[in-house]
Amino acid sequence: EAGVAQSPRYKIIEKRQSVAFWCNPISGHATLYWYQQILGQGPKLLIQFQNNGVVDDSQLPKDRFSAERLKGVDSTLKIQPAKLEDSAVYLCASSVIPGLAGETETQYFGPGTRLLVL
Amino acid sequence: TQLLEQSPQFLSIQEGENLTVYCNSSSVFSSLQWYRQEPGEGPVLLVTVVTGGEVKKLKRLTFQFGDARKDSSLHITAAQPGDTGLYLCAGPSGTYKYIFGTGTRLKVLA
Repeated sequence: EAGVAQSPRYKIIEKRQSVAFWCNPISGHATLYWYQQILGQGPKLLIQFQNNGVVDDSQLPKDRFSAERLKGVDSTLKIQPAKLEDSAVYLCASSVIPGLAGETETQYFGPGTRLLVL
Repeated sequence: TQLLEQSPQFLSIQEGENLTVYCNSSSVFSSLQWYRQEPGEGPVLLVTVVTGGEVKKLKRLTFQFGDARKDSSLHITAAQPGDTGLYLCAGPSGTYKYIFGTGTRLKVLA
């Protein structure tokens, strides 16, 4: 089974530029998450989708961050304009709905996109 | 607000030593998970503990969930360089939503 795919793996931009990240979750996973992980810290949830609907975006800085999952499969996260403090690893994760096919609440993470804002 | 504090923040030990990592909260959790994250990769789930007082073993790793379900520990016996990584605990905080701890960065020297 293929894992969660993310691209690009690395991105360097200057402040005030825009950037977009892409995520393709594991096939059949209804829930998709975007996390921000500052170096050496735990991931912080930015937004959670259930199919193509937003479940939680309470910690998404909506003045500069946006995310979509139009067809309930892959997703994009955009930052416009970027700030220095946005330098971090952006992780995408997916999970099935617990209870289906005996699955428990397990999130499967992609390798992340490492963003450096100069 | 639910918070998960991990200690120590950093740990550097020699191969063969034992160590314990702690995950503490003032809130009660229905379950807690432990992940390991290697450099350049996403976190990978190691275990989920769901019952207060539960102990789970995964080879040289022993996980314990506190009786009050507010804390958990991870004990590694005879650490190996392959155990190097960032250890994260996580607890549920809403519908299929998790909060992560502050992390413990472990380095095992050969």
